[in-house]
Amino acid sequence: GEDVEQSLFLSVREGDSSVINCTYTDSSSTYLYWYKQEPGAGLQLLTYIFSNMDMKQDQRLTVLLNKKDKHLSLRIADTQTGDSAIYFCAERGSGNTGKLIFGQGTTLQVKP
Amino acid sequence: SQTIHQWPATLVQPVGSPLSLECTVEGTSNPNLYWYRQAAGRGLQLLFYSVGIGQISSEVPQNLSASRPQDRQFILSSKKLLLSDSGFYLCAWSVGGGGRGPASYEQYFGPGTRLTVT
Repeated sequence: GEDVEQSLFLSVREGDSSVINCTYTDSSSTYLYWYKQEPGAGLQLLTYIFSNMDMKQDQRLTVLLNKKDKHLSLRIADTQTGDSAIYFCAERGSGNTGKLIFGQGTTLQVKP
Repeated sequence: SQTIHQWPATLVQPVGSPLSLECTVEGTSNPNLYWYRQAAGRGLQLLFYSVGIGQISSEVPQNLSASRPQDRQFILSSKKLLLSDSGFYLCAWSVGGGGRGPASYEQYFGPGTRLTVT
């Protein structure tokens, strides 16, 4: 079945790098996504990676994909207090419904 | 550009009362539509999705129902609310048609409705 797992909480100091990890089970997933949810708001897409890529960089964000281990990570360089939020990874569901399978979300706390 | 609206933003309802949450999308046609619930401190649970008018798929057995009376309108309902229905309800849309690229699976979320059942 399809399942996505994340650690629930990460605390870092401002200026440090944050690494949020995610594992998934569906080896046929072609796209994997990272979403950000600020308090009391909906989710915003941060970035996505295609399964034939190992790495994708977008400004302060670096996504690493280990397809063999079904492991995805999101690295945020120079973490700022404004990065405090819940981060969700997601994989595509099967079929043509557009479904995404979300992890539980990792709460990132950035201390000044 | 596309926008997604949800209302109300917050709602406090007694146990046993009915519920109707509305979601509308502008600027696109034939979207896939989704209802999620996020319980306090927990992840997203997909409740319903719809690939077209009148086409509703339920992901989990529950006290809620969904309807899609128009192409860009998605409604979440209950006849009698339970305490366990409390949570943050999110509506989302994605490009319809079952395409293969990432954009066809990227979901755009509304601002959410905070429901408290007392």
